[in-house]
Amino acid sequence: DVKVTQSSRYLVKRTGEKVFLECVQDMDHENMFWYRQDPGLGLRLIYFSYDVKMKEKGDIPEGYSVSREKKERFSLILESASTNQTSMYLCASSLTHNEQFFGPGTRLTVL
Amino acid sequence: GQSLEQPSEVTAVEGAIVQINCTYQTSGFYGLSWYQQHDGGAPTFLSYNALDGLEETGRFSSFLSRSDSYGYLLLQELQMKDSASYFCAVSRSSNTGKLIFGQGTTLQVKP
Repeated sequence: DVKVTQSSRYLVKRTGEKVFLECVQDMDHENMFWYRQDPGLGLRLIYFSYDVKMKEKGDIPEGYSVSREKKERFSLILESASTNQTSMYLCASSLTHNEQFFGPGTRLTVL
Repeated sequence: GQSLEQPSEVTAVEGAIVQINCTYQTSGFYGLSWYQQHDGGAPTFLSYNALDGLEETGRFSSFLSRSDSYGYLLLQELQMKDSASYFCAVSRSSNTGKLIFGQGTTLQVKP
């Protein structure tokens, strides 16, 4: 079974802090994604990566950056957390263009 | 712009059949996927349609009409455990796996 893990289930940070969200997948997938999920808005793509050190902006990249130094790991970075970044963050990976495998999510609260 | 429209809520009784519709307007279309997400859980892949027609997987079926930019998820013999949110998602690329998600439909199954 594909497994996607995320470093924390719940995280509380203060405004202005630098925040790292880590995601690891164990199935050698090329593609990895970061989404945020907010009520009524569905899942919105922040960034994705199709290979090591390769990244592309998604629909809402402002205020975020990413890092993919190894194939299995994709990190989301909030350079200076703000209250409007309070959300559920979901990481996913895929081998093909259709099925994505999601991690359990990190619920981030920025105070 | 790019948008996917699906109903926000649907209610049905155990044993019934329910259809969740999804219409889309996107620049680039490669296929339509459906994901299920239980409260507090991660989205999980249900089905994918790249060609027109009906795809059946057990109690769940998914339909696509590319000419109408329309698809639906059909759930038969509803069970209480089917209570969840259901998201349609459009694949915009054949290789990177980028998806645009709809806002989700919350299905409540009543006894």
